Amino acid sequence: QSALTQPPSVSGSPGQSVTISCTGSSSDVGNYNRVSWYQQPPGTAPKVIIYEVSNRPSGVPDRFSGSKSGNTASLTISGLQAEDEADYYCTSYTSSSALVFGGGTKLTVL
Amino acid sequence: QVQLQESGPGLVKPSETLSLTCTVSGGSISSTSYYWDWIRQPPGKGLEWIGRLSFSGSTYSNPSLKSRVTMSVDTSKNQFSLRLSSVTAADTAVYYCARHVLATDFFDCWGQGTLVTVSS
Repeated sequence: QSALTQPPSVSGSPGQSVTISCTGSSSDVGNYNRVSWYQQPPGTAPKVIIYEVSNRPSGVPDRFSGSKSGNTASLTISGLQAEDEADYYCTSYTSSSALVFGGGTKLTVL
Repeated sequence: QVQLQESGPGLVKPSETLSLTCTVSGGSISSTSYYWDWIRQPPGKGLEWIGRLSFSGSTYSNPSLKSRVTMSVDTSKNQFSLRLSSVTAADTAVYYCARHVLATDFFDCWGQGTLVTVSS
């Protein structure tokens, strides 16, 4: 299966909002609500911040939100903080019962 | 609180087999609510899903790696393992084990990762 498509990088100033897209197909994102997002600061393991498109695990700030439209899922981070600077990855369940990751997006807080 | 810890050789020769073990602590591997997965990340690159297995031993692998991947579980030791055969330099990566929530297909707990380098 092909990786989901994410922009390589996004940036924003503290306090602003940024949105990261994750585009797949009708075989994955478009047909299943099993889309999740992970935050990976440098040198650390990924941590889930969104699951099932828009659900936040306990402890994740409500500044992080997720949505989906058609074959594209999106992660929005509002009220950007310096600590949000990290790599972000989406993943989706697929029609072949596999899981597929996006290529990752580097968020820079200016 | 569940914790996962990868272990295994940090250096493997080309054409040989990479073997890693993930030890689960703070919870039982014999749960019907979870799968147990392997994920890797080449240096400076993105995440790649390798495969998953259940406590009963059923497995499913990434089709791109399927012919080289073997996964197994040892419930008595609360461990699961990965074997990747015929490795090349392209298999050099940080390898993570993770707990996969069955009902919603996301990874709620990750190991810290272990770097495996393929080199002669």
